[in-house]
Amino acid sequence: EIVMTQSPATLSVSPGEGATLSCRASQSISSTLAWYQQTPGQAPRLLIYDASTRATGIPARFSGSGSGTEFTLTISSLQSEDFAVYFCQQYNKWPQTFGQGTKLEIK
Amino acid sequence: QDQLVQSGAEVKKPGASLKVSCKASGHSFTNYAIHWVRQGPGQRPEWMGWINTGNGNTRYSQKFQGRVTITRDTSASTAYMELSSLRSEDTAVYYCASGFSYADCWGQGTLVTVSS
Repeated sequence: EIVMTQSPATLSVSPGEGATLSCRASQSISSTLAWYQQTPGQAPRLLIYDASTRATGIPARFSGSGSGTEFTLTISSLQSEDFAVYFCQQYNKWPQTFGQGTKLEIK
Repeated sequence: QDQLVQSGAEVKKPGASLKVSCKASGHSFTNYAIHWVRQGPGQRPEWMGWINTGNGNTRYSQKFQGRVTITRDTSASTAYMELSSLRSEDTAVYYCASGFSYADCWGQGTLVTVSS
């Protein structure tokens, strides 16, 4: 199965600053990558699909890029509600697999 | 507004079986697929399987093959996930989510605890 690896494990950022999260696939997945946000006790929420397309209702400060094996989620001007755990997921091959997550915390 | 509502929390003994339901509302049930994803405490989400609600075709992760069965009742707009031979490592929150590839709408989750 395809292994998804995210970095860093934890990212400490001040509100108003930007953040860049990385995700790497163990083999090429073209652009079949999604990003999810998860807050404690809640289900994941789709942010980005097809590597760079924002889901319905997602603010423009969230952007995704990359293809092949290297992907990035960028959040500009962090708001208080953005501090959460972020997962990437590949849906290129069965079984779909998730990264281990990046925790975005307030500095 | 699309919505998936799951059945409530369960406590099971090792060796027992589990069945979780996922009722959809908001748009035609047979227009999309339903995934089942579980997440252990502090763990990454783990994809278990998928059902095409239109034709009933299923796909399972090899890890759960033989233990998991996903079905749907189109008349009730509900999907089901059954997991057998439960063990302590199956303690997790189980989610259903809709979408053919990525999951764009998620249920609230069902906490399943496996303990003797």
